[in-house]
Amino acid sequence: DAGVIQSPRHEVTEMGQEVTLRCKPISGHDYLFWYRQTMMRGLELLIYFNNNVPIDDSGMPEDRFSAKMPNASFSTLKIQPSEPRDSAVYFCASSRSTGGTEAFFGQGTRLTVV
Amino acid sequence: GESVGLHLPTLSVQEGDNSIINCAYSNSASDYFIWYKQESGKGPQFIIDIRSNMDKRQGQRVTVLLNKTVKHLSLQIAATQPGDSAVYFCAENYSGNTPLVFGKGTRLSVIA
Repeated sequence: DAGVIQSPRHEVTEMGQEVTLRCKPISGHDYLFWYRQTMMRGLELLIYFNNNVPIDDSGMPEDRFSAKMPNASFSTLKIQPSEPRDSAVYFCASSRSTGGTEAFFGQGTRLTVV
Repeated sequence: GESVGLHLPTLSVQEGDNSIINCAYSNSASDYFIWYKQESGKGPQFIIDIRSNMDKRQGQRVTVLLNKTVKHLSLQIAATQPGDSAVYFCAENYSGNTPLVFGKGTRLSVIA
């Protein structure tokens, strides 16, 4: 398996533009997580899905953020409109369960909003 | 509140020495703990895990120790190598069905 695949690896966009980050989880993993990493706040959980259904989105910072998982092999995280404070590295991770098992991370998308 | 934290934000060690990275957790109900390694430009990678019914677990050059009495977790790396330079995160999981919660991370720098 190629692991969790994220695209793009880097994204530079202007403030106010829409940004879409993509993730392909490991096949057979029922859970998918979106994390955001910044120097100030570390790794923050934004939202996670179980069997394509959003379970907890309490970590999504604002209504400008939305995430979807239309099928078991694809998820998107959208920011609209983007702001400079959204600049961070966004990670997608997947696992077979939430409790008592490791999560496998993708390489991340480094987002810069100017 | 529930939190996972690290005592030392940075750690510098001489190549060949042993490294010890510490982590404190606040939720006594936590029953699963993981150490991740994150190299520059990459996502966190699993190193080793431990469940609350164990005090110690060993892997290849790494050992995780769990002290439930004081809610403390440590990662020991034997014979530290330059390739071990990275940021190390501890993470905890509690109530069996909640996502991992990560600490802030400790940067390990290996001096050749």
